[in-house]
Order: sequence, then C-alpha cells, then structure tokens
Amino acid sequence: DGGITQSPKYLFRKEGQNVTLSCEQNLNHDAMYWYRQDPGQGLRLIYYSQIVNDFQKGDIAEGYSVSREKKESFPLTVTSAQKNPTAFYLCASSISEYSNQPQHFGDGTRLSIL
Amino acid sequence: GNSVTQMEGPVTLSEEAFLTINCTYTATGYPSLFWYVQYPGEGLQLLLKATKADDKGSNKGFEATYRKETTSFHLEKGSVQVSDSAVYFCALWDRKEAAGNKLTFGGGTRVLVKP
Repeated sequence: DGGITQSPKYLFRKEGQNVTLSCEQNLNHDAMYWYRQDPGQGLRLIYYSQIVNDFQKGDIAEGYSVSREKKESFPLTVTSAQKNPTAFYLCASSISEYSNQPQHFGDGTRLSIL
Repeated sequence: GNSVTQMEGPVTLSEEAFLTINCTYTATGYPSLFWYVQYPGEGLQLLLKATKADDKGSNKGFEATYRKETTSFHLEKGSVQVSDSAVYFCALWDRKEAAGNKLTFGGGTRVLVKP
C-alpha cells in the first residue's frame, strides 16, 4: 500500500544536539511538507518542497533545515538553534502544488528534550 | 492572509448524540475546504472535502456543507460513537495563496464521546 512513513516514532534530543527526522513516501507525489503540532494547537508549516532539489520556508522555519535530494524523501533536521523543539512533527505529501487534492499525512514523530 | 477558526474544545458528549463542530474561514480567493481527523498518537486523515460553494462533503456519517455566504464549513454527525473520539481539524486550500499546495489549518477541536 502506498503511504508516508515517518521514523522514528519517538525521538529524544539532548541540549545542543541536532537531530534528523525521516519522511519517506511511495505515492509518487511531487510536493512534500513538514508541520509542527504543539499540544492543544493546530498545525504550523515549517518547510515545504514542490519538486526535487527545491524547497521553501514555511511560517516557522527558524531552527530547522531540510533537503529534497530524492522525490520520495524529505528529511527534517531540528538544529540546536531551535530553542523549543519539543513537539509532534508531521510530514505530508500531495500530488502537486497546483492541485487541490488533499494532503496525505504520516503518523508523526514525537520529539522530546532530555 | 487566509485563516480558519474552529470552536474550541473539548467537546464531550454521549454515544448516539448529535455532533456539530463549527468552522469559519477567511480567504482571498475561492478556497477548497477540508475536514481532517486525528486519532490519538497518529497523523491526520482526510475525513471529507468540498471544492466549491454549496458542495456537501460526506464520509463515515459525517457531513459538511460549503457555505460561501456565511464563510462556513461546519461538521456534523447525527449519532456519534465512542470510536469518533479524536481531534478534528478544519482546513482550507486557496489557489491564490502563496505558491505551493499550502493548507491553512484551524486550531483543532477535541471530541470525547462517552459510552
């Protein structure tokens, strides 16, 4: 079955450490997205990518970085510059940037600070 | 810019009760509207959508009608079950928004159905 796989499900980070969250999709979608979800709040867009080797900042990109070297992969790095990284991170994909077709979501990665 | 406003939860109700979750939006263009559901510990799943005014989206007993005149997309279900306990997100996609298939989400409404 096609879908989006995020790993790991739970991740712990020490102060001053960078960590990378994995997101892989086999839906052949062009566009991919990273969202951050804080308790009791909605989703905020961190970064998105419309095609391979291209990505744009979302609303809260500071302290994060991404790459899009392959169509199926869109890893997110939470850097030490992100002062409050504890959150639930969701990856999503959609057919293309021009479509109003819905985004498909992974099951998320919960990041906590040790 | 675009925005989505949902009623704050939590909404607590008994099994077989009627559920309504209000959602209103502001958009510069003619958006498509979505309801997503998030079960505990999981990602979001699309529940239903509507792409133009007066469209009605429906799925799993849930319905929502795109009301352009009131800029609303309220979610309803006539008889809820315990398994409907989840967080529900209203979202919009507007072609006139900045590049990319960017969704604008509401804050989410937690629903708890008690047996």
